[in-house]
Amino acid sequence: AQKITQTQPGMFVQEKEAVTLDCTYDTSDPSYGLFWYKQPSSGEMIFLIYQGSYDQQNATEGRYSLNFQKARKSANLVISASQLGDSAMYFCAMFGGFKTIFGAGTRLFVKA
Amino acid sequence: KAGVTQTPRYLIKTRGQQVTLSCSPISGHRSVSWYQQTPGQGLQFLFEYFSETQRNKGNFPGRFSGRQFSNSRSEMNVSTLELGDSALYLCASSLPGQTSGGQETQYFGPGTRLLVL
Repeated sequence: AQKITQTQPGMFVQEKEAVTLDCTYDTSDPSYGLFWYKQPSSGEMIFLIYQGSYDQQNATEGRYSLNFQKARKSANLVISASQLGDSAMYFCAMFGGFKTIFGAGTRLFVKA
Repeated sequence: KAGVTQTPRYLIKTRGQQVTLSCSPISGHRSVSWYQQTPGQGLQFLFEYFSETQRNKGNFPGRFSGRQFSNSRSEMNVSTLELGDSALYLCASSLPGQTSGGQETQYFGPGTRLLVL
């Protein structure tokens, strides 16, 4: 069975500093996709970054990068130069078998 | 390009009633997925449709059903509402094969907040 684990219910980071949000996953499928989404208080899920299971390089999208360690089954999100607008819930997700499962989420608080 | 739209945005129903939620995907997207989000259970997968066919479904009772039309628009229906059905219902659409690994990046709508009294 597929599983996504986010062990940090809440995180604090100082504005302009980098922060790492942890995500581990479990699947027996050789082909899968890993995603990170941001959910502000408005409720809408915003796609941030994607990593395919066969991708050799870590994905990057602007200030977001995904630290993909396949052997350890981890897909941590790194946000560089945090901004106040980064305060939100962050969800790690895995796609496989025509469905996406989500972790419990990490609430990030950016301090001024 | 317009994003995923969901209607209605807010809904209040009473126990025992039924409700239908609508989702219009991004133009060209043929896959639509539905999720239920609650504080206690988090985000849970309901079902996924592609070309009017349900390809997968989550562990929800038969009161939850869905369908997809030929224009890729989708509806989900919940019959005999229970208090525990109060949640944010999110719809997401995707374009199969759009990423390097053939995986499907899902783009979400704003959600429908359902309150069951």
